[in-house]
Amino acid sequence: NAGVTQTPKFRVLKTGQSMTLLCAQDMNHEYMYWYRQDPGMGLRLIHYSVGEGTTAKGEVPDGYNVSRLKKQNFLLGLESAAPSQTSVYFCASSSKTGPMNTEAFFGQGTRLTVV
Amino acid sequence: GDSVTQMEGPVTLSEEAFLTINCTYTATGYPSLFWYVQYPGEGLQLLLKATKADDKGSNKGFEATYRKETTSFHLEKGSVQVSDSAVYFCALASGGSYIPTFGRGTSLIVHP
Repeated sequence: NAGVTQTPKFRVLKTGQSMTLLCAQDMNHEYMYWYRQDPGMGLRLIHYSVGEGTTAKGEVPDGYNVSRLKKQNFLLGLESAAPSQTSVYFCASSSKTGPMNTEAFFGQGTRLTVV
Repeated sequence: GDSVTQMEGPVTLSEEAFLTINCTYTATGYPSLFWYVQYPGEGLQLLLKATKADDKGSNKGFEATYRKETTSFHLEKGSVQVSDSAVYFCALASGGSYIPTFGRGTSLIVHP
């Protein structure tokens, strides 16, 4: 049972380059999320999706775009990377059981460095 | 809106010491409450959860009780080990929201 898988695990970009982070989940979850984690800042929500074909902005969306063309995949794009986007990125997914949200399941993270 | 406040770290303990990490929350309705643990270089993983008032979640010697009257979900362990060194996140999920709310995390360092 793979759960939530993120690729790549590590990446170094030059300022201005673009890249896409891929998140795949095999639990048939409706909701998916992209977070960034920086020292002393906890987790900050970048974008999220409540279903296939839908996306919404989170707390820190600037400089990022997302797409959810298939229910199991949630892509995070950086069109023009900046050093401020150096961070560890986590994807997560969750669902509902009746009226209650389940716990979130996290990927292993992508460590991105922009030089 | 929903929010979670947890004690700042780092919390530094000797092996076999008692651990408490405080967590309080603000939420509409009756949220589910969670503790996650993040080991170095890894993603967050669920440690324990509670879905209604007075429920006690437990796992790996850790416990937390859902206290609606004090809006708290404090994490405790009677005897910590070096292997418990990690960052611990308190979180909630409200039935009316799609987005889980996380605290800022508390780093635990356990010395031999």
